Amino acid sequence: GAGVSQSPSNKVTEKGKDVELRCDPISGHTALYWYRQRLGQGLEFLIYFQGNSAPDKSGLPSDRFSAERTGESVSTLTIQRTQQEDSAVYLCASSGRTGLSEAFFGQGTRLTVV
Amino acid sequence: QQPVQSPQAVILREGEDAVINCSSSKALYSVHWYRQKHGEAPVFLMILLKGGEQKGHDKISASFNEKKQQSSLYLTASQLSYSGTYFCGTDSGTYKYIFGTGTRLKVLA
Repeated sequence: GAGVSQSPSNKVTEKGKDVELRCDPISGHTALYWYRQRLGQGLEFLIYFQGNSAPDKSGLPSDRFSAERTGESVSTLTIQRTQQEDSAVYLCASSGRTGLSEAFFGQGTRLTVV
Repeated sequence: QQPVQSPQAVILREGEDAVINCSSSKALYSVHWYRQKHGEAPVFLMILLKGGEQKGHDKISASFNEKKQQSSLYLTASQLSYSGTYFCGTDSGTYKYIFGTGTRLKVLA
């Protein structure tokens, strides 16, 4: 596609439910990043992928969070047993080469846990 | 460790200049600058690589001092469209983009 696509754009879920957030990066981009942005706050690093591998998962807030990437393309961020503190915008970005080229961001998924 | 940006917020009149600083506690390989408008995704402005280079386009430029582990973004003759939150993104050679604390900039007519 022309840009990074994220779905859904908005998700309201009940506390305790599991959610899956999807990211379709720009075709050919090997690096993919997930960030969390709470209201009025900065970008909190969660995880990045180089190809299908995730060399650094240290940003994941808890073991309720997991992510995978397949076919060096689509990535899914899963949050299990959601809590109200998980409410935020989850942003995905992709770039052609890690650290050496610009990252293109998707429009994000706004997650609200009620 | 999240890079620290200063100032946290700044208000300008159209035509005025501003400098936004980004300081890291780690050695940096590259620094990226992004601008995010309210309710939108961050948009790339420029990247600076290790080597102390300076870059710019239009009236926005940036410098990177790898020894001091700092980068600065310079906005000259600011326009209303410059309003937004500016983030520096840093990479210490591990390909892990960490974004700074952010600087809110508002340009008034």
